[in-house]
Amino acid sequence: EPEVTQTPSHQVTQMGQEVILRCVPISNHLYFYWYRQILGQKVEFLVSFYNNEISEKSEIFDDQFSVERPDGSNFTLKIRSTKLEDSAMYFCASSDAPEGPLTDTQYFGPGTRLTVL
Amino acid sequence: ELKVEQNPLFLSMQEGKNYTIYCNYSTTSDRLYWYRQDPGKSLESLFVLLSNGAVKQEGRLMASLDTKARLSTLHITAAVHDLSATYFCAVDITQGGSEKLVFGKGTKLTVNP
Repeated sequence: EPEVTQTPSHQVTQMGQEVILRCVPISNHLYFYWYRQILGQKVEFLVSFYNNEISEKSEIFDDQFSVERPDGSNFTLKIRSTKLEDSAMYFCASSDAPEGPLTDTQYFGPGTRLTVL
Repeated sequence: ELKVEQNPLFLSMQEGKNYTIYCNYSTTSDRLYWYRQDPGKSLESLFVLLSNGAVKQEGRLMASLDTKARLSTLHITAAVHDLSATYFCAVDITQGGSEKLVFGKGTKLTVNP
């Protein structure tokens, strides 16, 4: 069964460093998302991406964040200068079409645990 | 701002018992999802509810949606230990063709032998 994959599974970085989290969405999907989950808290939307541009972003997704689809398969989230409060689990998700009948479920990857020291 | 409230947030129950988790949301939406998350793991899609009155069942879990009341329920029948996990409801907000999920805080379910 197709699945979303993410690398690395765990990233440890120093405050102020740049990190890139990588995702490979399900191959025929068109819509891509990043969410984050601070330990023990709820899942929060960061950004959605379609047709090579951001469709929507939350207030969390400030200028320190960027997303890119550098080729036909990868979808990346970059945090330019990490802060302590960026420590969280970051989930990538993909879906095929939000208006498609019964096919618009967002499928989540296994997550990358980001620890900022 | 859309609010999604789940209750209870923590649920400890005995095997064999029944219980219901509630998910209330504050704005109009025709799509609601239930996800399961095991500790340290990702989110597994359980149910997609696409219209008012929708009811879906899988094994010991049954989900329903009342869009007029802005309420979804996840009913657990004859709980077993394997159902122990955190359950999230998520409400779809589709704006301009882009889908965004707003999650509840989750219900941590513990099923005791």
